[in-house]
Amino acid sequence: AQTVTQSQPEMSVQEAETVTLSCTYDTSESNYYLFWYKQPPSRQMILVIRQEAYKQQNATENRFSVNFQKAAKSFSLKISDSQLGDTAMYFCAFMKQESGNTPLVFGKGTRLSVIA
Amino acid sequence: DGGITQSPKYLFRKEGQNVTLSCEQNLNHDAMYWYRQDPGQGLRLIYYSQIVNDFQKGDIAEGYSVSREKKESFPLTVTSAQKNPTAFYLCASSPLTGGFYNEQFFGPGTRLTVL
Repeated sequence: AQTVTQSQPEMSVQEAETVTLSCTYDTSESNYYLFWYKQPPSRQMILVIRQEAYKQQNATENRFSVNFQKAAKSFSLKISDSQLGDTAMYFCAFMKQESGNTPLVFGKGTRLSVIA
Repeated sequence: DGGITQSPKYLFRKEGQNVTLSCEQNLNHDAMYWYRQDPGQGLRLIYYSQIVNDFQKGDIAEGYSVSREKKESFPLTVTSAQKNPTAFYLCASSPLTGGFYNEQFFGPGTRLTVL
């Protein structure tokens, strides 16, 4: 079974600053995907970024980037130039790479507050 | 507009009553999922279905039941056997393509409160 651990229940950052959210995972799978999801106060789940485990290059999406360390089973999210709209719960998630559709395994989340 | 709808947005239930949460999608997705969200617990998988008339239990299936009679619908019944049903319930769906990665799209959720 896979597990995902987010060790920071809450974090805060000043507007325009950079913040890093941590995530570690445990799996015996060789091929998988990792994700960061954002859940704003509306509670709508929004995919922020995806990383394929077979890719060495870290994924980036505008102000969001990841630091993927496969051997250490670590997958952190860096948010640059933080904006008030980044205030949300952030979930790290794992998905096995299989033909078909497999469910997501989520961490417990980190509540991020961006302060003006 | 294509998307996933969940109804109702808020649901109140008396102890001992069964209640059914609706999830409908018009994205022509093959797979559908139910997750439960509790404060400080993240999202946990209740059930999922990859095709019509087939579904698998997730990590916390006890006290819940599902059906998948139509591709676009995946209702979740919370039975009286579920000891602590008050939670936020999220439905998701994903396509089945030839590749390995299929993004999951989430509905807006249903907040269930047991009185």
